[in-house]
Amino acid sequence: DAGVIQSPRHEVTEMGQEVTLRCKPISGHDYLFWYRQTMMRGLELLIYFNNNVPIDDSGMPEDRFSAKMPNASFSTLKIQPSEPRDSAVYFCASSLETNTGELFFGEGSRLTVL
Amino acid sequence: AQKVTQAQTEISVVEKEDVTLDCVYETRDTTYYLFWYKQPPSGELVFLIRRNSFDEQNEISGRYSWNFQKSTSSFNFTITASQVVDSAVYFCALSEADSNYQLIWGAGTKLIIKP
Repeated sequence: DAGVIQSPRHEVTEMGQEVTLRCKPISGHDYLFWYRQTMMRGLELLIYFNNNVPIDDSGMPEDRFSAKMPNASFSTLKIQPSEPRDSAVYFCASSLETNTGELFFGEGSRLTVL
Repeated sequence: AQKVTQAQTEISVVEKEDVTLDCVYETRDTTYYLFWYKQPPSGELVFLIRRNSFDEQNEISGRYSWNFQKSTSSFNFTITASQVVDSAVYFCALSEADSNYQLIWGAGTKLIIKP
């Protein structure tokens, strides 16, 4: 399997613009997680899905953030409108089990909002 | 209160030295899991090991070994005969049954192996 695939790898945008990050989990994995990593706050769980259904979105910063999983092989994380403080690396991960299991991470999407 | 503490922000050693990365956790749960992940300069996090709270046996995998001690709430990670390729940020994490197994991450330890 190719692993978790994220796109784009790098995105530079201007404040106020819409940003869409994409993730393709490993086939057969029932759980998908979106994380954000910054120097100041470390790794933060934003939201996770089980069988395409959002289970816990308590980590989503505010209404500007939304995540969808229309099918088992695709998820998006959208920021609208983006702000400079959203600059971070966004990781998608998938797993067979909940957090008792191993998470397989993508390479991340580095977002810079000017 | 921090549930997973990695007190060492950065460690620098010369190649071939042994190095231990500390991880101290806090939980009242009797059922929990502990993890180590590696984040090399390329960025993606890579799973290294998972231990459950009922298994205190130490584990060895090649040059890597883990020491799980419930008495001190620690899950330390030792690299023997370190190599430059071991340079990375290493994260310890905890998941508890009471928290629906959400991963709680430590702040990470940056390990620099000098040639």
